[in-house]
Amino acid sequence: GEDVEQSLFLSVREGDSSVINCTYTDSSSTYLYWYKQEPGAGLQLLTYIFSNMDMKQDQRLTVLLNKKDKHLSLRIADTQTGDSAIYFCAEKERGGGNKLTFGTGTQLKVEL
Amino acid sequence: GAVVSQHPSRVICKSGTSVKIECRSLDFQATTMFWYRQFPKQSLMLMATSNEGSKATYEQGVEKDKFLINHASLTLSTLTVTSAHPEDSSFYICSARGSSGASYEQYFGPGTRLTVT
Repeated sequence: GEDVEQSLFLSVREGDSSVINCTYTDSSSTYLYWYKQEPGAGLQLLTYIFSNMDMKQDQRLTVLLNKKDKHLSLRIADTQTGDSAIYFCAEKERGGGNKLTFGTGTQLKVEL
Repeated sequence: GAVVSQHPSRVICKSGTSVKIECRSLDFQATTMFWYRQFPKQSLMLMATSNEGSKATYEQGVEKDKFLINHASLTLSTLTVTSAHPEDSSFYICSARGSSGASYEQYFGPGTRLTVT
């Protein structure tokens, strides 16, 4: 089955860039996503990338996709304390009926 | 943007009772809804996928008789945890995909915290 892995924890200083990494195993993934979850809340879609793209930038967010290595990353520029949350990557299988497989989540802590 | 609500946001029930959680799409019609559960400090695990008007498709290992899912309308899906036990305590999150939305979009509800005592 599919397996999506992330490092558990990342700590950065306010104003620095954060890079959250994700590896996946399903080469037939069509879309890859990044979601943000604040404590006790649901998931907020931050951005997504289609599998035929290498990079996507959206304001402070940059997504890089290395399909050969099945590696996805999310870079947050000028990280703020409000960015502290858990970040999940997720993949959508081709023909999977919109089913998403989520990564293990990375807790981002932004320190002053 | 599309909004998905869940009710209740938090519920405490006694062991052996049943609890119903509602998931509503507020400003769009949701042909497909998904139910996830999330244990503390863990990822989301898909429990089942429901399409309006048809039976839900459960993931392997999820007991369909214990977690009853009904998607009777294009804006409402319900998850009923029957004969709840303490090990069912978890954070339950629904998501919805619209009939006219982009294929990449799933909108998530705020979650329901279930505690079984």
